[in-house]
Amino acid sequence: GAGVSQSPSNKVTEKGKDVELRCDPISGHTALYWYRQRLGQGLEFLIYFQGNSAPDKSGLPSDRFSAERTGESVSTLTIQRTQQEDSAVYLCASSLVRIEGQVSRNTGELFFGEGSRLTVL
Amino acid sequence: AQTVTQSQPEMSVQEAETVTLSCTYDTSESDYYLFWYKQPPSRQMILVIRQEAYKQQNATENRFSVNFQKAAKSFSLKISDSQLGDAAMYFCAYRSAYFGNEKLTFGTGTRLTIIP
Repeated sequence: GAGVSQSPSNKVTEKGKDVELRCDPISGHTALYWYRQRLGQGLEFLIYFQGNSAPDKSGLPSDRFSAERTGESVSTLTIQRTQQEDSAVYLCASSLVRIEGQVSRNTGELFFGEGSRLTVL
Repeated sequence: AQTVTQSQPEMSVQEAETVTLSCTYDTSESDYYLFWYKQPPSRQMILVIRQEAYKQQNATENRFSVNFQKAAKSFSLKISDSQLGDAAMYFCAYRSAYFGNEKLTFGTGTRLTIIP
């Protein structure tokens, strides 16, 4: 598709269950990001991928959170043993990296999906 | 670490009037990008406007323009001729231009209400 696609759009789960959230970035975008947005709040960085590797996992709130990316495409964010405080919208975004001569450069904007709303009962 | 501050949690403006949303940031880098994103109730983040730090000219996109003051580390958004569809949360964001420093850092947002 033309944009970033996320699934499921909405997920309701019981406390203690595991959930998987999926993100399909824009084709050709090598950088992929996960953000969390709690109700009425700003965006909290979780993790980003460059290709299939994750150089920055600094935002993952606990070891219950993990993410992987395969084929420089689809990414999955997994939350184990969900807690009520995990309830939020999880946003995925992707962006291009441009090669200028021998220098790789961020091109700028991130393109976002519509998010996955997670509700933990 | 870079930080982005939006000091106006809420703003309102009469339809067809002009409103300015403020944003300041803190960085030690010289090359970076600044953005304003809009998030309507549908929750999709939509890019409104971007500014490259090495460009002195303020970016403009139709009714949206910025006042970029690099020395003051200020990046305000002006919306002219406000329309009902402009009602949304607006987030200011910073991103390094240097490869390897990837993440976009957001402010806490300003909720803009348009009064008919």
